[in-house]
Amino acid sequence: NAGVTQTPKFQVLKTGQSMTLQCAQDMNHEYMSWYRQDPGMGLRLIHYSVGAGITDQGEVPNGYNVSRSTTEDFPLRLLSAAPSQTSVYFCASSYSSRVYTEAFFGQGTRLTVV
Amino acid sequence: KQEVTQIPAALSVPEGENLVLNCSFTDSAIYNLQWFRQDPGKGLTSLLLIQSSQREQTSGRLNASLDKSSGRSTLYIAASQPGDSATYLCAVREGGSEKLVFGKGMKLTVNP
Repeated sequence: NAGVTQTPKFQVLKTGQSMTLQCAQDMNHEYMSWYRQDPGMGLRLIHYSVGAGITDQGEVPNGYNVSRSTTEDFPLRLLSAAPSQTSVYFCASSYSSRVYTEAFFGQGTRLTVV
Repeated sequence: KQEVTQIPAALSVPEGENLVLNCSFTDSAIYNLQWFRQDPGKGLTSLLLIQSSQREQTSGRLNASLDKSSGRSTLYIAASQPGDSATYLCAVREGGSEKLVFGKGMKLTVNP
């Protein structure tokens, strides 16, 4: 059981470049989300999805796009990378956003924007 | 706005001590609270999940309690070991929204 898989694990981008961070889960989870983790700031929610075709903004959505065409995949797109987007990105999933649901996290993508 | 606080930010103890890690939150309207462990350069590993209707959960040497009315949770680690060294994070699932709100974590070092 792979759980939550993120690719790539590491990435270096130049300012202005675009890229997509991939996230896939094989647990048939409805709820998926993206966080960024920065020193002193903790984990902050970027975007989330409660099911295929449904997405919404979190705390820090600017500069990022998401879509959810399938239950399994929830890619995060950086439209025009900026040094402020240097961070560690985590994808998470859970069966539901409601009671009795445990959140599972991927291993993270370390992104550096130069 | 829900805020989750973990104090202290870091703790260093000798091996064998029993530990209590604290987590507080400002809004008691939560679905559940989850404790995670994060090793350096790694992802988050779920340790314990407590539903809003529960008072505590146990897994091995770990015991987590929840007092929703006072906005507090504690993670108790019995007989600490050097392998317990990591950052511990708590997070609450907000009631009425889909969001998991995190504390900033507590870095634990257990010295042999």
